Amino acid sequence: GAGVSQSPSNKVTEKGKDVELRCDPISGHTALYWYRQSLGQGLEFLIYFQGNSAPDKSGLPSDRFSAERTGGSVSTLTIQRTQQEDSAVYLCASSLRGDRGPNYGYTFGSGTRLTVV
Amino acid sequence: AQSVTQPDIHITVSEGASLELRCNYSYGATPYLFWYVQSPGQGLQLLLKYFSGDTLVQGIKGFEAEFKRSQSSFNLRKPSVHWSDAAEYFCAVGAPGGGADGLTFGKGTHLIIQP
Repeated sequence: GAGVSQSPSNKVTEKGKDVELRCDPISGHTALYWYRQSLGQGLEFLIYFQGNSAPDKSGLPSDRFSAERTGGSVSTLTIQRTQQEDSAVYLCASSLRGDRGPNYGYTFGSGTRLTVV
Repeated sequence: AQSVTQPDIHITVSEGASLELRCNYSYGATPYLFWYVQSPGQGLQLLLKYFSGDTLVQGIKGFEAEFKRSQSSFNLRKPSVHWSDAAEYFCAVGAPGGGADGLTFGKGTHLIIQP
């Protein structure tokens, strides 16, 4: 697509439930990133996918968080047994990996605002 | 490892006044530098970026930034702000190789515009 699409835009869930957040990157972008933005905070890196390589999961805060990317395109971030501290905006970005020229940089989606009650 | 510091958490300026948002980075070589803006409820939009060449970079919405190697800084400026500029601004540094640590973000500066 023309931009990075995230769904849902807002999600309210009860503590203890599982949630799935979806990201559809720009067509042709091989790299996909998930970030978490808590209220008043900067961007916290969660996970990175590059093509068909094993993802870099070094930023995932706990084993309740997982993500997959099917067919090198759409990605789903899953949070199991949600806790109130998981409430945040979850941002997805994509980029053309390996392009070190003028087009290097991320394109962000509008994010999913997750509220755990 | 690379890092970014945005020393001002909040800045308030009057509409029509000039603006400078500070950004300092730490990186062992010449980095890629970015400024992003985030309006309420939105994702991040790229304002401008520096890779090489002219150290004064022009961006969208009338913004510019200057790379100063000696000060490890990449401050964002605008000569006259508009109420619509009220937003969160993020500076980021990128390693030329890209990858998971390809962009490291500062914690952001919240810009408030007074009428």
